[in-house]
Amino acid sequence: GAGVSQTPSNKVTEKGKYVELRCDPISGHTALYWYRQSLGQGPEFLIYFQGTGAADDSGLPNDRFFAVRPEGSVSTLKIQRTERGDSAVYLCASSSGLLWEEQFFGPGTRLTVL
Amino acid sequence: SQQGEEDPQALSIQEGENATMNCSYKTSINNLQWYRQNSGRGLVHLILIRSNEREKHSGRLRVTLDTSKKSSSLLITASRAADTASYFCATVHSGYSTLTFGKGTMLLVSP
Repeated sequence: GAGVSQTPSNKVTEKGKYVELRCDPISGHTALYWYRQSLGQGPEFLIYFQGTGAADDSGLPNDRFFAVRPEGSVSTLKIQRTERGDSAVYLCASSSGLLWEEQFFGPGTRLTVL
Repeated sequence: SQQGEEDPQALSIQEGENATMNCSYKTSINNLQWYRQNSGRGLVHLILIRSNEREKHSGRLRVTLDTSKKSSSLLITASRAADTASYFCATVHSGYSTLTFGKGTMLLVSP
């Protein structure tokens, strides 16, 4: 079966622009997570969805970051007024929804803000 | 913030040798997970050990957990060049369902 997919794989944008990053989880997985990974670091949690609702958005760095999952499947991470410090690999993961079990990660979107 | 801290930061060994990586964390956990990340590829789950378990095996992997010391170790036996990757421990805090990752150990296995 298909794994977690993310599009685009690479995104280059200019400072101040708006970007959308898409995640398509494994079919049937109710939990979806977004992480951000900077060079030489481990992934840092951004937001977690259970179904359509954001169960935990405590990792979003500021109000320029927003994520949606309107139908409980595909999710979009939206970043407004991008800054150079937003450059990173954005990872999406999904799981079956049972608490504390393994997560399945997508290949990530590499965002570069010039 | 990242809770887990892996040690060493980098490890270089020859094929056939064993590799041991350690992870320490700060607050109580429900479980601890190890992930592998190859260059240019996504994270792959390796093994999960729950807070009431002390040791777990999966193929050439052996994980131990010492909750009194808030530490875990990952042992890869008979390493192969294909094991070259970054290895991350990730913890699930009590009462939460999200993962907190460490900075990782970069493992290089030379043929």
